[in-house]
Amino acid sequence: GQNIDQPTEMTATEGAIVQINCTYQTSGFNGLFWYQQHAGEAPTFLSYNVLDGLEEKGRFSSFLSRSKGYSYLLLKELQMKDSASYLCAVRDRDYQLIWGAGTKLIIKP
Amino acid sequence: DTGVSQDPRHKITKRGQNVTFRCDPISEHNRLYWYRQTLGQGPEFLTYFQNEAQLEKSRLLSDRFSAERPKGSFSTLEIQRTEQGDSAMYLCASSLDSREGFADTQYFGPGTRLTVL
Repeated sequence: GQNIDQPTEMTATEGAIVQINCTYQTSGFNGLFWYQQHAGEAPTFLSYNVLDGLEEKGRFSSFLSRSKGYSYLLLKELQMKDSASYLCAVRDRDYQLIWGAGTKLIIKP
Repeated sequence: DTGVSQDPRHKITKRGQNVTFRCDPISEHNRLYWYRQTLGQGPEFLTYFQNEAQLEKSRLLSDRFSAERPKGSFSTLEIQRTEQGDSAMYLCASSLDSREGFADTQYFGPGTRLTVL
């Protein structure tokens, strides 16, 4: 079967750095996405990785290792507005997105 | 175009009633997806269209669910004889292309929250 694993919940302090991990087992691989979802709202696109390495976009960076089936999302200089769920999704060989259950990130002052 | 829109944003209905939701994708996007999401879970794939063709439907999807995209633009999702278990957020997303090498990023609408009493 296909599986995406993420921690259920994480807590971090405003101004700090947090890393959210995602491991996957899918039928093929055609890219990995990270989305942010605030409570009661729709997911919004954060990043896309298809090759190994780090993609940096402002305060957010995403890393991929295809050989390890592993990705992480790194959030720097945390702000209260970063409190949200972060969803990892992998596109499989049929170009379908397989979604993780999301990691709820709680930011404390 | 400001993004994907969905209507209504909220729907409360009684068990056994039929409901229909509408999604208007980003205008140049040729792919349209329907998902269902419950609290604490990621989106669950329901179906998707490329232009007007419905290319895939989840095996888990009941026969009570049907979707259309008659002119390759907006789409409707109908749920017949609703059940309490249908209560969820119904999300629509659109994307431009899925050819190899393209990100084919999906952009989501605000969702329709369905409550079945």
